[in-house]
Amino acid sequence: KQEVTQIPAALSVPEGENLVLNCSFTDSAIYNLQWFRQDPGKGLTSLLLIQSSQREQTSGRLNASLDKSSGRSTLYIAASQPGDSATYLCAAEDPNTGNQFYFGTGTSLTVIP
Amino acid sequence: EAQVTQNPRYLITVTGKKLTVTCSQNMNHEYMSWYRQDPGLGLRQIYYSMNVEVTDKGDVPEGYKVSRKEKRNFPLILESPSPNQTSLYFCASTIWAGVNSPLHFGNGTRLTVT
Repeated sequence: KQEVTQIPAALSVPEGENLVLNCSFTDSAIYNLQWFRQDPGKGLTSLLLIQSSQREQTSGRLNASLDKSSGRSTLYIAASQPGDSATYLCAAEDPNTGNQFYFGTGTSLTVIP
Repeated sequence: EAQVTQNPRYLITVTGKKLTVTCSQNMNHEYMSWYRQDPGLGLRQIYYSMNVEVTDKGDVPEGYKVSRKEKRNFPLILESPSPNQTSLYFCASTIWAGVNSPLHFGNGTRLTVT
């Protein structure tokens, strides 16, 4: 069964800093890797989706990379802002289990003004 | 507005009293799914549906039922809720599974079973 891990569980940085969030998965046979943002009391919002054939995707200050061979994805946030404070989750879509989605436990990010 | 709508947002009930959490999407998505989110365990898939009348178990289906009689709706049914089903529940949908389309989530239902 696919297992997805996110380290660290929590991260606190000063405003303006560049940061990297990590996501690892155990089975490289994935359709895609998605990154989500979750704000308190809200649902998850899709940030980026990287297809299995891609190495990276960019949206504004966000850049996500995917290395299937090593089972790793990273989310890079440039010039962090207090509004980036949220929990970030990654999820792998696994074709081996009927297209289920497996989520990490998330990284709680706090950007200090 | 394209969205996934869950109701209710909050629900407090007692052990054994049947309940239904509704989920509806207006994006004509084929794939819908239910998750529960618990501290330290992340989101775990309960059930999913690839199409109307097609449902499959996820990783934690025990104690839950679902039905998919029409494309837009995917209710989650707890026939006899127990305290260990106290959790935050999310419904999600996407166009198709396996075609690299993002998951869209509802705002969640916080369930407390006493």
